[in-house]
Amino acid sequence: EAGVAQSPRYKIIEKRQSVAFWCNPISGHATLYWYQQILGQGPKLLIQFQNNGVVDDSQLPKDRFSAERLKGVDSTLKIQPAKLEDSAVYLCASSLDLIQRGQSTQYFGPGTRLLVL
Amino acid sequence: RKEVEQDPGPFNVPEGATVAFNCTYSNSASQSFFWYRQDCRKEPKLLMSVYSSGNEDGRFTAQLNRASQYISLLIRDSKLSDSATYLCVVNMNYGGSQGNLIFGKGTKLSVKP
Repeated sequence: EAGVAQSPRYKIIEKRQSVAFWCNPISGHATLYWYQQILGQGPKLLIQFQNNGVVDDSQLPKDRFSAERLKGVDSTLKIQPAKLEDSAVYLCASSLDLIQRGQSTQYFGPGTRLLVL
Repeated sequence: RKEVEQDPGPFNVPEGATVAFNCTYSNSASQSFFWYRQDCRKEPKLLMSVYSSGNEDGRFTAQLNRASQYISLLIRDSKLSDSATYLCVVNMNYGGSQGNLIFGKGTKLSVKP
């Protein structure tokens, strides 16, 4: 079974530029998550989708970050404009159903390492 | 108080040792608890869920203490391959919502020959 796919794996941009990340979850997984992991920290949930609807985006900096999952499968996360403090690994994860409904297993993708100069 | 707190370590132990990690959480209404493992420059992977009665998986034992709001992970007979960062994850409920998944900063374990 294929895992969670993410691209690109690495990205270097200058501050104030825009960047987009793509995620393809495991087939059949209804729930998709985007996390930001800064070096030395644990992952921080940015946004959580159930199919194509947003379940939780309370920690998404909406002035510069946006995410969509229009057809309930693939998802994109965009940063516009980027700041130095956005340098981090952006992890996408998926699960069969909501963690909150007892689905304990999130499967993470390899992440996209973003460096903002 | 931080929502999920862990000792960052590093814990440096010899092969065969027993090592224990604790994690405290701030929200007493939290319902779900997990331990994830993250290898250097890799993605996190679920190690085990933590149940109220405690649970064991081979050399790994997880326990939950709701009264004191902490969870623990015990690793017996440590192997070199256990070297990784162990992340404590709590589903925090804030009154009627479905909850938010909060990760701790992780505890780094290094098992030496």
